[in-house]
Amino acid sequence: AQKVTQAQTEISVVEKEDVTLDCVYETRDTTYYLFWYKQPPSGELVFLIRRNSFDEQNEISGRYSWNFQKSTSSFNFTITASQVVDSAVYFCALSEEQYKAAGNKLTFGGGTRVLVKP
Amino acid sequence: SQTIHQWPATLVQPVGSPLSLECTVEGTSNPNLYWYRQAAGRGLQLLFYSVGIGQISSEVPQNLSASRPQDRQFILSSKKLLLSDSGFYLCAWSVVRPGKAKNIQYFGAGTRLSVL
Repeated sequence: AQKVTQAQTEISVVEKEDVTLDCVYETRDTTYYLFWYKQPPSGELVFLIRRNSFDEQNEISGRYSWNFQKSTSSFNFTITASQVVDSAVYFCALSEEQYKAAGNKLTFGGGTRVLVKP
Repeated sequence: SQTIHQWPATLVQPVGSPLSLECTVEGTSNPNLYWYRQAAGRGLQLLFYSVGIGQISSEVPQNLSASRPQDRQFILSSKKLLLSDSGFYLCAWSVVRPGKAKNIQYFGAGTRLSVL
């Protein structure tokens, strides 16, 4: 069975500090997809990134960067020079299924609450 | 572009009353549709998903049911609400087609349900 663990329940930083969110996953499949979502106080989940298991290149998007390491089953997320607007709950998720009929279900981690103080 | 609508945004219901939450998607066809619940301060729990009209899969046996009467409409219902049904309910959609990014789920704004 698949599992996603986000060991950090809450992280508090001061603005402009970097913050790294850990995500460790378990799966038996060789083909899978990893995701990060942001949930601001308004509640809606916002998609940030999708990574497939065959692409281990790290990715950078503005102040966000992701480090995918298959050897340690981790998909960590770093916010550089954090801002107050980054305050949110961040969820890591895993999907083993590629086919519509199987539902393309996501398994979410428990989330990490990030609080950025001015 | 695709959009997803959920309503109502907030709902306060007495124990034992019925429930109907609606979700519609625009700008796509034959999406997968999902209902999640998030208890206060907790993670997301998948309740139901649907791969087509009239096709509902239940992930967690409970007091709720789901229906998909139209391609882009997904309804979450209960005949009699329990206190434990309180939470934040999120609808999501995804599409799997050649050339399209697979498995990405896009979420609605959610409904905050308080059962008193």
